Amino acid sequence: SAVISQKPSRDICQRGTSLTIQCQVDSQVTMMFWYRQQPGQSLTLIATANQGSEATYESGFVIDKFPISRPNLTFSTLTVSNMSPEDSSIYLCSVKEVLSGANVLTFGAGSRLTVL
Amino acid sequence: DQQVKQNSPSLSVQEGRISILNCDYTNSMFDYFLWYKKYPAEGPTFLISISSIKDKNEDGRFTVFLNKSAKHLSLHIVPSQPGDSAVYFCAGNTGKLIFGQGTTLQVKP
Repeated sequence: SAVISQKPSRDICQRGTSLTIQCQVDSQVTMMFWYRQQPGQSLTLIATANQGSEATYESGFVIDKFPISRPNLTFSTLTVSNMSPEDSSIYLCSVKEVLSGANVLTFGAGSRLTVL
Repeated sequence: DQQVKQNSPSLSVQEGRISILNCDYTNSMFDYFLWYKKYPAEGPTFLISISSIKDKNEDGRFTVFLNKSAKHLSLHIVPSQPGDSAVYFCAGNTGKLIFGQGTTLQVKP
């Protein structure tokens, strides 16, 4: 399956600042997906990043808060803007693959952000 | 509206015994379901899936059962091993994955 690298793996951020998370995949993929896991919560899809077009955001997530770039078929970034403590979460990058005959998501290790 | 629910936040099982993780859903449009396992500081990894037209899928020690009339699925791990200790997420697919909150499984030696 695809190997996904995320940077940073963790960071502590100050309120009001922004942080960009990078996601690198070892193969070319059409779509990349950004998820958030808040403490004790499920994984929630933030947006789908397609190469060459604007990202598609899920309800409750907006481009001004979570701008996404997708410059090529192996790389994407997610920026968490003007952070508040409520943004403290694990942010996960993922790609869709066919494994065992099913369309599944393969995830990176995640980026754990703590906002003070 | 939580379409996928895992009502047990945690489960503790003795090594060698069966672990049963449960998941309920409300969306009848899910065409298949998946289970993921997550270790600390790692991303979730795919474990097993089941199509909505099946009622059982088995892969080694892992079996997933689907009861469509009850909108319920379960993951059975037999025999449980200490290395199975992790957070388990179920998810339903409608073109995108909707995840439950996860169940933390602890397998005691």
